[in-house]
Amino acid sequence: EPEVTQTPSHQVTQMGQEVILRCVPISNHLYFYWYRQILGQKVEFLVSFYNNEISEKSEIFDDQFSVERPDGSNFTLKIRSTKLEDSAMYFCASSLRRPEENEKLFFGSGTQLSVL
Amino acid sequence: AQSVTQLGSHVSVSEGALVLLRCNYSSSVPPYLFWYVQYPNQGLQLLLKYTSAATLVKGINGFEAEFKKSETSFHLTKPSAHMSDAAEYFCAVSASGNTPLVFGKGTRLSVIA
Repeated sequence: EPEVTQTPSHQVTQMGQEVILRCVPISNHLYFYWYRQILGQKVEFLVSFYNNEISEKSEIFDDQFSVERPDGSNFTLKIRSTKLEDSAMYFCASSLRRPEENEKLFFGSGTQLSVL
Repeated sequence: AQSVTQLGSHVSVSEGALVLLRCNYSSSVPPYLFWYVQYPNQGLQLLLKYTSAATLVKGINGFEAEFKKSETSFHLTKPSAHMSDAAEYFCAVSASGNTPLVFGKGTRLSVIA
């Protein structure tokens, strides 16, 4: 079965540094998402992306966050100046059709971000 | 707004015993409900989903879930647990519109030999 690939699996950074989390969605998918899970808490929606623009974002996704699909295959999440509270597991997901069609989301295995 | 509550952060069962993982939802519109599983060091995988068709939904690996509107529940069951079922299970809800999934906190299932 095709899968969503995320790299790196674990990223350690210093507070205030910029990080870029990388995802390669399934090749024919059109909708892309980032979720995160802080240890012991719920999986939280961050942002959805379609047709090279953000279609929806949560309150968590403030000006420190940005997403990009630079080359038609990678889908990146950038955190401009990391904070301790950004430490979490970040999941990328993709789907073929629109959310309202309740298309199955395919999730990557996650990147564990540790901010020191 | 939608939300889900998963009762029990950790459930432990014996191999061969019934698995019951509880999920209650809150939704202002008819919900779409999902169960995802996360095995160690892997991503989230869809087990099954309810989208207003049959109330009893069968998923992969012998799991099923029943939508009960009167109880606002979508509990996940499996008649006989297998060691390979040990994982984290997440219930999720979305409205029947363009809204993202809202996840529960997850329940860790341990299976004892």
